[in-house]
Amino acid sequence: QKEVEQDPGPLSVPEGAIVSLNCTYSNSAFQYFMWYRQYSRKGPELLMYTYSSGNKEDGRFTAQVDKSSKYISLFIRDSQPSDSATYLCAMSAFLRTGANNLFFGTGTRLTVIP
Amino acid sequence: SAVISQKPSRDICQRGTSLTIQCQVDSQVTMMFWYRQQPGQSLTLIATANQGSEATYESGFVIDKFPISRPNLTFSTLTVSNMSPEDSSIYLCSVEEKASTTYEQYFGPGTRLTVT
Repeated sequence: QKEVEQDPGPLSVPEGAIVSLNCTYSNSAFQYFMWYRQYSRKGPELLMYTYSSGNKEDGRFTAQVDKSSKYISLFIRDSQPSDSATYLCAMSAFLRTGANNLFFGTGTRLTVIP
Repeated sequence: SAVISQKPSRDICQRGTSLTIQCQVDSQVTMMFWYRQQPGQSLTLIATANQGSEATYESGFVIDKFPISRPNLTFSTLTVSNMSPEDSSIYLCSVEEKASTTYEQYFGPGTRLTVT
């Protein structure tokens, strides 16, 4: 079983839709959770960072962590064509993310259709 | 956040040759990381490069195949040696930076390698 599971999609939605992206994980020690956005032919950029359970909101983006279910989500409200990208979840049991402490999902490719 | 650049951005190479990828950061960082990103797969850590010491390689990656240099706190290189088509991938360098209460990892734009 992989440490982190993420539906690869692809996911296509009309502009203005609410998007839900999800990851599940198996390691109950994970407590730091991240979402990265990767545009085509670019490196991943850190979008959201949350610690432990709960919600975190940043503009149109909301990150949600449910540690009891080992499930994290990223919601995008009022989706825009500029949100079209691959979204990667990542998580760690440790504050320091180096030395192979960071585990990534495979990414979900999102297309927002104008 | 740190600004990371990589050279080359892409290359097409013949099997059996080697390619050196450069990673430059605009600030001094202790640890730099090299990842491989293959289609449909998770980002895979190749090695951690600390300035002044030998790189630490993850399982499945060896120094002879992926030699790494880290001559100072802002620069690192990854060489992909004796390439085969299976080495076709995106190679990314990243750095860890301390935010207020957390450590966050930032990535370069990647080098897209195609081996023919």
